[in-house]
Amino acid sequence: DAGVTQSPTHLIKTRGQQVTLRCSPISGHKSVSWYQQVLGQGPQFIFQYYEKEERGRGNFPDRFSARQFPNYSSELNVNALLLGDSALYLCASFGERQGPYGYTFGSGTRLTVV
Amino acid sequence: QKEVEQNSGPLSVPEGAIASLNCTYSDRGSQSFFWYRQYSGKSPELIMSIYSNGDKEDGRFTAQLNKASQYVSLLIRDSQPSDSATYLCAVNFYGGATNKLIFGTGTLLAVQP
Repeated sequence: DAGVTQSPTHLIKTRGQQVTLRCSPISGHKSVSWYQQVLGQGPQFIFQYYEKEERGRGNFPDRFSARQFPNYSSELNVNALLLGDSALYLCASFGERQGPYGYTFGSGTRLTVV
Repeated sequence: QKEVEQNSGPLSVPEGAIASLNCTYSDRGSQSFFWYRQYSGKSPELIMSIYSNGDKEDGRFTAQLNKASQYVSLLIRDSQPSDSATYLCAVNFYGGATNKLIFGTGTLLAVQP
């Protein structure tokens, strides 16, 4: 059974560019959340989606946006990249009846902005 | 602002000893608590969840919850060098329609062979 899959694994972008990160949740999980983890810190909540609707947004600027598709996969978009956007971006899927109760994270996308 | 606090460490223990990791949280209404292990350069891996006061054991791991004191801990018995990692405490927050995890900064555990 596949876990949470994220792509790409690593990405290098230039300041001002735009980036799209992708995530597929565990089969049967309808909720996907995005987190940003900068070095030395715990993950910070960016977005939660459930059944294709945004359920929550963390304290991030409007340059960050996301969406969820009918198959429950999700994309995170970041526009006008800043050096400070360099981080590990984590996608988590949540399931109550399948798998461990709680959030399961994907392997992440390491974004470097130069 | 909902907060989760952990000692950043490093916590150094000898192989075979018990490692004790602690976490406090500010939201009295929190109901779900999680411990994640994160190896350097990797993503967090869920190792324990706890929802009721008391202890919950899973193999060498024991999670302890005291809601009155707003305190969560993780004990690792017979620590192994492979347990060396950052341990993240996370608290589930429900607000309106939002369901999110709030993480501490993590405690770095170093198990010395």
